[in-house]
Amino acid sequence: DVVLTQTPPTLSATIGQSVSISCRSSQSLLDSDGDTYLNWLLQRPGQSPQLLIYSVSNLESGVPNRFSGSGSETDFTLKISGVEAEDLGVYYCMQATHAPLTFGSGTKLEIK
Amino acid sequence: EVQLVESGGGLVQPGRSLKLSCVASGFTFSNYGMNWIRQAPGKGLEWVAYISSGSSYIYYAETVKGRFTISRDNAKNTLYLQMTSLRSEDTALYYCARRPTVATYFDYWGQGVMVTVSS
Repeated sequence: DVVLTQTPPTLSATIGQSVSISCRSSQSLLDSDGDTYLNWLLQRPGQSPQLLIYSVSNLESGVPNRFSGSGSETDFTLKISGVEAEDLGVYYCMQATHAPLTFGSGTKLEIK
Repeated sequence: EVQLVESGGGLVQPGRSLKLSCVASGFTFSNYGMNWIRQAPGKGLEWVAYISSGSSYIYYAETVKGRFTISRDNAKNTLYLQMTSLRSEDTALYYCARRPTVATYFDYWGQGVMVTVSS
């Protein structure tokens, strides 16, 4: 199975600060169809996960544009440009290029 | 408004069975693939099973293959997960999640239902 390693495991930020989360894959996530199926999700405390970004850099409808995704092959980054209080929670990367679908171990964002 | 509401969880002894349900509303259920994903207490997310819109394609995680069965009733807008031979490691919050047909992500999740396997 593809292993997704997220760093850091925990992140502490002040309101307005920009932060980045890394997701490294044990295999290239470039699919034979030319797309890369790496997604980012946020799980707020006590809530279900929600989709933020799909296919590396595509913002899901309704998600603020302070969230952005980048990367290729095995290295991916989620950036939050100007953290807001509502952004606290656990961020997960998820790959769907290789079966079975797998998730990263999560990065917990705390607000100082 | 899209809604996914899971039910059927609870406390069950090891080796016993349990059937989860997920009732969908606010969209045409028969047009979407559906998944079960679980989260052990304090842990991360684990994909469990997938069923295509018309039930033609079904896939399972190796950890549940042969013990769990995913199914759906499009007339009732309901997704199911039949779990047998339950183990302590199956203890988790089980989410149903919608997957758009040509997409490789989950765009809506239910609130989850807790399954606890313990004697």
